[in-house]
Amino acid sequence: QQQVKQSPQSLIVQKGGISIINCAYENTAFDYFPWYQQFPGKGPALLIAIRPDVSEKKEGRFTISFNKSAKQFSLHIMDSQPGDSATYFCAAIQGAQKLVFGQGTRLTINP
Amino acid sequence: EPEVTQTPSHQVTQMGQEVILRCVPISNHLYFYWYRQILGQKVEFLVSFYNNEISEKSEIFDDQFSVERPDGSNFTLKIRSTKLEDSAMYFCASRTGGGEKLFFGSGTQLSVL
Repeated sequence: QQQVKQSPQSLIVQKGGISIINCAYENTAFDYFPWYQQFPGKGPALLIAIRPDVSEKKEGRFTISFNKSAKQFSLHIMDSQPGDSATYFCAAIQGAQKLVFGQGTRLTINP
Repeated sequence: EPEVTQTPSHQVTQMGQEVILRCVPISNHLYFYWYRQILGQKVEFLVSFYNNEISEKSEIFDDQFSVERPDGSNFTLKIRSTKLEDSAMYFCASRTGGGEKLFFGSGTQLSVL
């Protein structure tokens, strides 16, 4: 019940296209859902996050869509750029407890 | 922006040896964490630390592992007798008392031979 399932495992998108990564969770006590971006050799860095009382959050080209009833959330990257090529992790947390990560998606943006 | 600092960036050790991974969390943070990531896999929680004690630990964090905050600035992870399967990237992370945003260091790549 503590798992967060993420798909796809890898994704190739053309420059300018929309990248979509999906996650699903079981634990309804999770109350904060961040997305982390990780470049090779670096630690994960917070990209954008959402709380379950909001259905969508947008920051620049990055949007989280949240479906509380389906227990699913997704990251959309609009106008994808080669610099967006990285591994993306969705995650979930309940209160002050540990962050639970999804399996990660390796995103490649082709120029 | 303040950052979490980890040293060393790479550590090579022989199986059975003890290693200590070091971290300097962001100065006003109160919650400290160790995570690890085996190559190509997801980031896994090891342990959380608050108010000078472990608040939660995972099944991975067995008796071979320990954490310490010896001087109010450093946060260390010790592996007493390393195994081959301990080879991974180890990330330290920290956050403030009131927020969920977790700041990660750049990691220590541990290779056990």
